[in-house]
Amino acid sequence: SQQGEEDPQALSIQEGENATMNCSYKTSINNLQWYRQNSGRGLVHLILIRSNEREKHSGRLRVTLDTSKKSSSLLITASRAADTASYFCAQPITQGGSEKLVFGKGTKLTVNP
Amino acid sequence: NAGVMQNPRHLVRRRGQEARLRCSPMKGHSHVYWYRQLPEEGLKFMVYLQKENIIDESGMPKERFSAEFPKEGPSILRIQQVVRGDSAAYFCASSPYSGQEQFFGPGTRLTVL
Repeated sequence: SQQGEEDPQALSIQEGENATMNCSYKTSINNLQWYRQNSGRGLVHLILIRSNEREKHSGRLRVTLDTSKKSSSLLITASRAADTASYFCAQPITQGGSEKLVFGKGTKLTVNP
Repeated sequence: NAGVMQNPRHLVRRRGQEARLRCSPMKGHSHVYWYRQLPEEGLKFMVYLQKENIIDESGMPKERFSAEFPKEGPSILRIQQVVRGDSAAYFCASSPYSGQEQFFGPGTRLTVL
């Protein structure tokens, strides 16, 4: 299976704390993408990190990539209740003439006010 | 510029009926992807289409499922003779070119009674 795995599966923190989610993947990548999904809603693209990048920032988000370990992490600093959502990493796989995304099962983050 | 539109947002069908899910990509996007999400799972790729062509249907069940993206109008995912196991959220994504960021719609939640 090419599917990545996030851990932890669930994470509950207090507002203001930092949240770290990890993703492991199995095959070599050109890039890795992180998405957020609020309960019952669609996916929002958060950040894309390329295989030649080690770290990328976007606002309160920081993504790191370690291609030697085939792993990535998403850090949300100074969390807010509005950050409560599921977070997925996605690996683009080029196959059969298409570039499809392969998602992990996600980390369900709860930020308590 | 409206985002990816999907309708209906919620669809209830009885076993044996047909379900038709519609997806209008973002303006200027000619690449459409369909994904299925079972409860507490990540998204799984189903099919990738360009205008009037199915490029990759490797994730589609062999029977009862079909997809199209006509020259005019939305992309349609059609499920014939639905069964309870088809209950899921179905997401459509579009991109301007293959290999570019995919923008996701809000999804259609199908419930089979």
